[in-house]
Amino acid sequence: AQSVTQLDSQVPVFEEAPVELRCNYSSSVSVYLFWYVQYPNQGLQLLLKYLSGSTLVKGINGFEAEFNKSQTSFHLRKPSVHISDTAEYFCAVSDRRTDKLIFGTGTRLQVFP
Amino acid sequence: NAGVTQTPKFRVLKTGQSMTLLCAQDMNHEYMYWYRQDPGMGLRLIHYSVGEGTTAKGEVPDGYNVSRLKKQNFLLGLESAAPSQTSVYFCASSWTENTEAFFGQGTRLTVV
Repeated sequence: AQSVTQLDSQVPVFEEAPVELRCNYSSSVSVYLFWYVQYPNQGLQLLLKYLSGSTLVKGINGFEAEFNKSQTSFHLRKPSVHISDTAEYFCAVSDRRTDKLIFGTGTRLQVFP
Repeated sequence: NAGVTQTPKFRVLKTGQSMTLLCAQDMNHEYMYWYRQDPGMGLRLIHYSVGEGTTAKGEVPDGYNVSRLKKQNFLLGLESAAPSQTSVYFCASSWTENTEAFFGQGTRLTVV
């Protein structure tokens, strides 16, 4: 079964510093990849997605992610974070064979002034 | 434009009681999902549907049932609630498996 691993449960960082949130998944066969963000007491919103083509994907709010098939990774990056980026970030995989949309355990990004 | 609406937003149940959570979407989406969110465990897929009249099991289906009689509605039922089902429940919908999933605001359920 498809699975998603987010190794870092919390990532503290100072404002304007770069950040990388890591995501690995179990198989690159027949999957689509997503990053979602959840602000406190809200539902999830899509940041970006990878379907095919260029391995570098740009999303909203200055985030980008790189698909690495050989390492089965889809890490999220931002060159300079803001206080407003404080939130929980979820990596997700859509399995094209089963139509399941599976999420990782989440990474809480906390940006300090 | 309502998007995905979940009712109720909060509920407290006694062990053994039953209840139904309603998810309604007005975007004509084919796919609908039910998740539970627990601290440190992310979102876990309970059941999902790829179209009206269809349902399938997710990662943690035990203790839950679902129905998708109308395309716009996806119901999640708890026949006999247990404290382990205390959680925040999220519904989501999407056009297909490779398009954005839109989420509701969540239902906070406490089973005592």
